[in-house]
Amino acid sequence: DAKTTQPPSMDCAEGRAANLPCNHSTISGNEYVYWYRQIHSQGPQYIIHGLKNNETNEMASLIITEDRKSSTLILPHATLRDTAVYYCIALTGGGNKLTFGTGTQLKVEL
Amino acid sequence: DTGVSQDPRHKITKRGQNVTFRCDPISEHNRLYWYRQTLGQGPEFLTYFQNEAQLEKSRLLSDRFSAERPKGSFSTLEIQRTEQGDSAMYLCASSKTGTRKLHTQYFGPGTRLTVL
Repeated sequence: DAKTTQPPSMDCAEGRAANLPCNHSTISGNEYVYWYRQIHSQGPQYIIHGLKNNETNEMASLIITEDRKSSTLILPHATLRDTAVYYCIALTGGGNKLTFGTGTQLKVEL
Repeated sequence: DTGVSQDPRHKITKRGQNVTFRCDPISEHNRLYWYRQTLGQGPEFLTYFQNEAQLEKSRLLSDRFSAERPKGSFSTLEIQRTEQGDSAMYLCASSKTGTRKLHTQYFGPGTRLTVL
């Protein structure tokens, strides 16, 4: 599975959009981009995933560039409860092991 | 659906003792995964089952570690002769094959092991 690169930390004001970038320049055509987050001392929580098209669900939006070498997770109206480590993972459709990096620590502040 | 559950949530043991953790996946999820997470790091894959068959094991899973899923439902992870380096959060996840969400894995709350 392709390696992903994320900034180690980001800050966001409550109520503003949080845009979390991820680089995956070596991603292959059959690899999906998955996003998970982990709030302190809890298990990782699935957020969203996509292959080529942009995706949106009740939690977030995922924007994937046309060349698929990078993506952005968007939390449209961040709240304090969104403070967490966010992980971007590339995984084949039949893949079985998520390879977590160190992720991005998002801190949402008043 | 109820989520993935793990028991116990916390375990403190002395070096050299054996410990066993349990994971109950989301009902009807046929795949079950174990991960380990040390402080400041992301989770690392240990092993996974499809139904009762253990299909892959990481090199991280030394011979002191054994995982089972005898009836294809809950799973246990046993660590024999614990060492201080085994101190970590042990995470379980489950997924269902053949759905639109592919093999999206859903995680439990984890078992935090401290070896003194």
